[in-house]
Amino acid sequence: QLQLQESGPGLVKPSETLSLTCTVSGGSISSSSYYWGWIRQPPGKGLEWIGSIYYSGSTYYNPSLKSRVTISVDTSKNQFSLKLSSVTAADTAVYYCAVITLGGPVDYWGQGTLVTVSS
Amino acid sequence: SYVLTQPPSVSVAPGQTARITCGGNNIGSKSVHWYQQKPGQAPVLVVYDDSDRPSGIPERFSGSNSGNTATLTISRVEAGDEADYYCQVWDSSSDHPGNVFGTGTKVTVL
Repeated sequence: QLQLQESGPGLVKPSETLSLTCTVSGGSISSSSYYWGWIRQPPGKGLEWIGSIYYSGSTYYNPSLKSRVTISVDTSKNQFSLKLSSVTAADTAVYYCAVITLGGPVDYWGQGTLVTVSS
Repeated sequence: SYVLTQPPSVSVAPGQTARITCGGNNIGSKSVHWYQQKPGQAPVLVVYDDSDRPSGIPERFSGSNSGNTATLTISRVEAGDEADYYCQVWDSSSDHPGNVFGTGTKVTVL
């Protein structure tokens, strides 16, 4: 049973870069079965897929965020990370890391971490 | 980009049947997945690949998908089914393939 845990600052200033890390336990991030992804949910709103990465480094990004997003994987630490640049208040959300079958469902979710963008 | 449209809310009495729709262009050609989310919790997968249930999900949850509409059906609704529900697909039809979530539906048990 895979388990995911997000970590990172809960408060980011406008125009700065949001950085989060997801630590994977109960399995290897080098598994060929899954993509590793980030999904966010602004307070009181719906889910938005941010992007996904394969252990080899191939990525898919939401076109609406692509210019500001970088997702990377560190197989030695069994972690993957999210960087979102030039944040504004609209980026305030609960950020979930997730395990996603390519073309399929989100199989596992982290507990989520609230990131607030404010000066 | 691909858009999935859900009704904002559905109300249902206990013991009755709730149907939640997810509309998208030719969605019948895609695999649709459904999630239940209760307040303060991460979503939980309740139906995948249109109509399959993960282990531990009651048979009361079922799904169908045809044409431009996918449907999640909750039979014999219980108070514990009150939650937000989201559909999701993988859209490979555009230049930028990716995951798409529906707008979400709040199910209220009367």
